[in-house]
Amino acid sequence: SQTIHQWPATLVQPVGSPLSLECTVEGTSNPNLYWYRQAAGRGLQLLFYSVGIGQISSEVPQNLSASRPQDRQFILSSKKLLLSDSGFYLCAWSVSGIQETQYFGPGTRLLVL
Amino acid sequence: DAKTTQPPSMDCAEGRAANLPCNHSTISGNEYVYWYRQIHSQGPQYIIHGLKNNETNEMASLIITEDRKSSTLILPHATLRDTAVYYCIVRVFPEDMRFGAGTRLTVKP
Repeated sequence: SQTIHQWPATLVQPVGSPLSLECTVEGTSNPNLYWYRQAAGRGLQLLFYSVGIGQISSEVPQNLSASRPQDRQFILSSKKLLLSDSGFYLCAWSVSGIQETQYFGPGTRLLVL
Repeated sequence: DAKTTQPPSMDCAEGRAANLPCNHSTISGNEYVYWYRQIHSQGPQYIIHGLKNNETNEMASLIITEDRKSSTLILPHATLRDTAVYYCIVRVFPEDMRFGAGTRLTVKP
């Protein structure tokens, strides 16, 4: 069966520091991968998605970036964090198709101080 | 903007069926209805999805009206662990999976 991992689970970082969040998927090949952010008490906002290695689409312009160095690895990065980057970051995977269902990881809670 | 309307909150007694409604009056013919739930501080969990026929799996049943303008998610025997925010989403690949505010279901003993 397929599983998705995210780490770290929680992170407290100072403003201006770099960020690297990692997501890996097991049990499937060539998945679509997604990064979402959820602000406190709000819905999910799609940040990036990838349909293959090295292929990244950005949905929201910001100081975050994403990379997909391997088929089942998706990384969310920032060179300098802002206070507004605080939130719950979720990675998801899916297999392309009309009935594409996305499956989410456990999330990383980021607090920027 | 979400294409669905859900009540902000609902209560259900433990052991009883929980019926969560969703209005999607502008749904188009090729859009699917998806349901997810999010337990506090966890990632959203996929529950079920459907196009026009009613669907059932080990977690829940999905009832879609004949005109497809609304649907109901049914948890047949709610437990305390079913307390969560439930999201109804209408989309067709490759559109975004757009989560609205959802319904906060509280299962009470």
